[in-house]
Amino acid sequence: AQSVTQLGSHVSVSEGALVLLRCNYSSSVPPYLFWYVQYPNQGLQLLLKYTTGATLVKGINGFEAEFKKSETSFHLTKPSAHMSDAAEYFCAVSPTDSWGKLQFGAGTQVVVTP
Amino acid sequence: DSGVTQTPKHLITATGQRVTLRCSPRSGDLSVYWYQQSLDQGLQFLIQYYNGEERAKGNILERFSAQQFPDLHSELNLSSLELGDSALYFCASQSGGAGNEQFFGPGTRLTVL
Repeated sequence: AQSVTQLGSHVSVSEGALVLLRCNYSSSVPPYLFWYVQYPNQGLQLLLKYTTGATLVKGINGFEAEFKKSETSFHLTKPSAHMSDAAEYFCAVSPTDSWGKLQFGAGTQVVVTP
Repeated sequence: DSGVTQTPKHLITATGQRVTLRCSPRSGDLSVYWYQQSLDQGLQFLIQYYNGEERAKGNILERFSAQQFPDLHSELNLSSLELGDSALYFCASQSGGAGNEQFFGPGTRLTVL
């Protein structure tokens, strides 16, 4: 069975500081990996994903994530936080041999302070 | 705008009642997924349909059912509602298979009183 763990339910960062959100997965076979963002009162939007190839993936809004198989991790980073980055972030996995259902982590709420 | 529409946006009903949530996928997407987001259980996969057929089932209660119609829109039916069914219900659509992006609708917020 798969599981997704996001370290920290709330993260507070200063504007301009590094954003680092941690995600670890548990799976016998590396799954497809995703980061989604949810702004207040909205649906989820894909930030980036890893399926195959280069392990450092770049997404929208300046975010990137690195797949590390040895650490079963897919941490999300952004070098410089903007006020508009305040949102909830979800790491998700999908088995490569499935029809694509997503299993989500518990989410990390990001607060950006001036 | 993801291109996925969900109606209604809000729904308030009483325990024991039945409701239907509707989802229209992006044009051309054959897969529709339903997810439930609640404070205590987070985001959970409920069920997936592909071109009218059920493909995968998750933590969906027996009181819940879904279907996908020939025009590819989908409905999630929730019956004998309980207070604990209060949640945000999202649908997402996808073209292709696993690994492709799922586009999420804005959700239907269900409140059971």
